[in-house]
Amino acid sequence: QKEVEQNSGPLSVPEGAIASLNCTYSDRGSQSFFWYRQYSGKSPELIMFIYSNGDKEDGRFTAQLNKASQYVSLLIRDSQPSDSATYLCAVNMALTGANNLFFGTGTRLTVIP
Amino acid sequence: DTGVSQDPRHKITKRGQNVTFRCDPISEHNRLYWYRQTLGQGPEFLTYFQNEAQLEKSRLLSDRFSAERPKGSFSTLEIQRTEQGDSAMYLCASSFMGGTSYEQYFGPGTRLTVT
Repeated sequence: QKEVEQNSGPLSVPEGAIASLNCTYSDRGSQSFFWYRQYSGKSPELIMFIYSNGDKEDGRFTAQLNKASQYVSLLIRDSQPSDSATYLCAVNMALTGANNLFFGTGTRLTVIP
Repeated sequence: DTGVSQDPRHKITKRGQNVTFRCDPISEHNRLYWYRQTLGQGPEFLTYFQNEAQLEKSRLLSDRFSAERPKGSFSTLEIQRTEQGDSAMYLCASSFMGGTSYEQYFGPGTRLTVT
């Protein structure tokens, strides 16, 4: 079983729509959760982090965490073509005792103008 | 620019050669991480430092790989006797260890091609 799983996509949404990206993780003791955006050929860019159950909003982005169900999601409202990228979910697994992150393989999002 | 910097950005080397990469973290960050990313995969953890101490190494980090952070500032990652399977993007990230802050910020990466 993979430690962090994401639907690889591609996910296509029209401009202005809501894009919904999902991620599940295996370690119930995981402490912190991150979403990174990665454009082709570039390095990951941190866009959201969440540590507590519930929703966290930042501009057009909302991260949602449900520890009981072991999933974290990212909603992108009013999607723009510039949002087209691969979105990586990353989790800090408590079992390692360290702060290194475990990443999913990413979901490729395409926003169609 | 006060972000994480990495040098070089691209490196092409022949199999069997040694290569060394450098990472300069965000100045106030005391933790520094190395990851490796191959096409279509998420970054995979290699090793991390808190100040100058190397606290954890992944099983991915074979004995051909060595990392240092001698003064708790910049870090180097050396790969000896490179193999074609070492071709990847090598990413450095840094974070500030304090309270419950765990956010890691990545540098632009070094893309290694082994021919």
